[in-house]
Amino acid sequence: AQSVTQPDIHITVSEGASLELRCNYSYGATPYLFWYVQSPGQGLQLLLKYFSGDTLVQGIKGFEAEFKRSQSSFNLRKPSVHWSDAAEYFCATRRGNNNDMRFGAGTRLTVKP
Amino acid sequence: DGGITQSPKYLFRKEGQNVTLSCEQNLNHDAMYWYRQDPGQGLRLIYYSQIVNDFQKGDIAEGYSVSREKKESFPLTVTSAQKNPTAFYLCASRGRGSRTDTQYFGPGTRLTVL
Repeated sequence: AQSVTQPDIHITVSEGASLELRCNYSYGATPYLFWYVQSPGQGLQLLLKYFSGDTLVQGIKGFEAEFKRSQSSFNLRKPSVHWSDAAEYFCATRRGNNNDMRFGAGTRLTVKP
Repeated sequence: DGGITQSPKYLFRKEGQNVTLSCEQNLNHDAMYWYRQDPGQGLRLIYYSQIVNDFQKGDIAEGYSVSREKKESFPLTVTSAQKNPTAFYLCASRGRGSRTDTQYFGPGTRLTVL
């Protein structure tokens, strides 16, 4: 069964600094990959997704992610973090068109002024 | 506005009571899902339904029940058999027929057992 690992439970960055959130997946074939963001007490909002093609994916709010098959990774990046980016970020994977979606445990992002 | 609504936002329950959480979507999506979220554990799938009048158990279905009588609605009942029901519950939906369809989430219901 596929699984997702987010190695960092909590990350703190200064406003304006760059950000990279790590995500590793475990699955034999290329899975479908997603990043979601969750503000406190809210639902999850889709930031971006990868199904095939170009391995660098652009998302909303200035985020991007790069799929690296050799490293089984799908790290999320942003060149300059804003205070409003403080939230919890979840990486997820789905195998094909089925309903077996697996989420990582999440990374909480704190932004320092 | 198309989207997913969940109600109530906050729910309090006494031990031994059943409670029902509402999830409604107007996205014309076939598939609907219920997840439970606990701190530090990400999301875990409780039940899902791919079509009206059909649903399947997810990873942690014990102590929960669902129904899918209408395409728009997928209520979740947390029964007294659920030993630790205090959690944040998220409903999601997804269109069917395209491999690129994505799950979209509602705003969630926080259930607290007193």
